[in-house]
Amino acid sequence: KNEVEQSPQNLTAQEGEFITINCSYSVGISALHWLQQHPGGGIVSLFMLSSGKKKHGRLIATINIQEKHSSLHITASHPRDSAVYICAVRLSYGGSQGNLIFGKGTKLSVKP
Amino acid sequence: DTGVSQDPRHKITKRGQNVTFRCDPISEHNRLYWYRQTLGQGPEFLTYFQNEAQLEKSRLLSDRFSAERPKGSFSTLEIQRTEQGDSAMYLCASSLEFSEANYGYTFGSGTRLTVV
Repeated sequence: KNEVEQSPQNLTAQEGEFITINCSYSVGISALHWLQQHPGGGIVSLFMLSSGKKKHGRLIATINIQEKHSSLHITASHPRDSAVYICAVRLSYGGSQGNLIFGKGTKLSVKP
Repeated sequence: DTGVSQDPRHKITKRGQNVTFRCDPISEHNRLYWYRQTLGQGPEFLTYFQNEAQLEKSRLLSDRFSAERPKGSFSTLEIQRTEQGDSAMYLCASSLEFSEANYGYTFGSGTRLTVV
């Protein structure tokens, strides 16, 4: 079992829909990252969370430390949101595996 | 500073050839990470540097792989005698050690390697 699990693996939505991507982890963490990767490969950091909730534009990220679960929500989705969304956790004890362990990503496709 | 730069963006090489990739981190960042990402998977850790010291290497980093960061600034990742299984996206990220917990990491655009 992977230490970071994301669901769903693939998601197709119609423009305007509300989207939720989930991330569960099984290790002790100091922070959780949500990353966006476009087809060209480059990764953009969207959020870094250690508790509660963060919002940036149409994106909202939440984390429940007790349940070891985080969600990324996209409101009023748009075709330009189409990308792979990756959850990554920063280990709380550090110094191992370069501090970050990644999920496999959720491929989102938003149709016009 | 324009972020983390990686060069080249794409590399196609014949099996058995050596390849070298370069990463230029954000100038004030003292930590530099290399990751490998194969199709449909999340990135996997290869190695990381703090300044010029290579502090950790993954078991994924076979003897054919070597990474350097000689002056604590840019880093190179060399793969000798490439194999088809080395085909992947190689990602670099940098961070500032003492603000990593607050500001996280900055990723480069990656180098996509295809071994034919």
